[in-house]
Amino acid sequence: ETGVTQTPRHLVMGMTNKKSLKCEQHLGHNAMYWYKQSAKKPLELMFVYSLEERVENNSVPSRFSPECPNSSHLFLHLHTLQPEDSALYLCASSQIQRRGGSEEQYFGPGTRLTVT
Amino acid sequence: QQPVQSPQAVILREGEDAVINCSSSKALYSVHWYRQKHGEAPVFLMILLKGGEQKGHEKISASFNEKKQQSSLYLTASQLSYSGTYFCGTESGSARQLTFGSGTQLTVLP
Repeated sequence: ETGVTQTPRHLVMGMTNKKSLKCEQHLGHNAMYWYKQSAKKPLELMFVYSLEERVENNSVPSRFSPECPNSSHLFLHLHTLQPEDSALYLCASSQIQRRGGSEEQYFGPGTRLTVT
Repeated sequence: QQPVQSPQAVILREGEDAVINCSSSKALYSVHWYRQKHGEAPVFLMILLKGGEQKGHEKISASFNEKKQQSSLYLTASQLSYSGTYFCGTESGSARQLTFGSGTQLTVLP
């Protein structure tokens, strides 16, 4: 496997289900990201794990919970979602320079989530 | 606050040129450009850093006006493969994260 992989590619879940999205990067990067992409909206940053720190967008509801067990793996745990959470969820990774600033981000293919 | 991209959409014939603009109200450390084709992941095109450093593909050119907090992406002699949605992402201060614009949909016709 190369680059950034995501599983599953498609997910349909009910509002009472609990599921997890998985992301793995094979690039040796030290930062990983979760983005939400809804139709006709810009990419929305949800969570960042970089240099062993976690940064989150304060507007993300608590029904989304990230987990980053190591620098190569990132999960997004989902529970009691709403229909408006249906979107493409993209994972990305990059190399953060300690002096400040990031390098280019490499995106995974995304998970198309539908909440019924 | 997200950067503003213009135009929202543009249609070209093969061989024509296009310019996509991105502007921010914040002081910027860097501007990133990505292209996303329908049903695919965004793909990196270029980074422009404060101070003039650039990194990206040879066939793509862009500019970064630090005083105006604006960047422009120049697509010359467009090819069918250039079709897609172009996003700029801006990085401010020490945030180490990108805020993306709403995208410019580029369609190149034969």
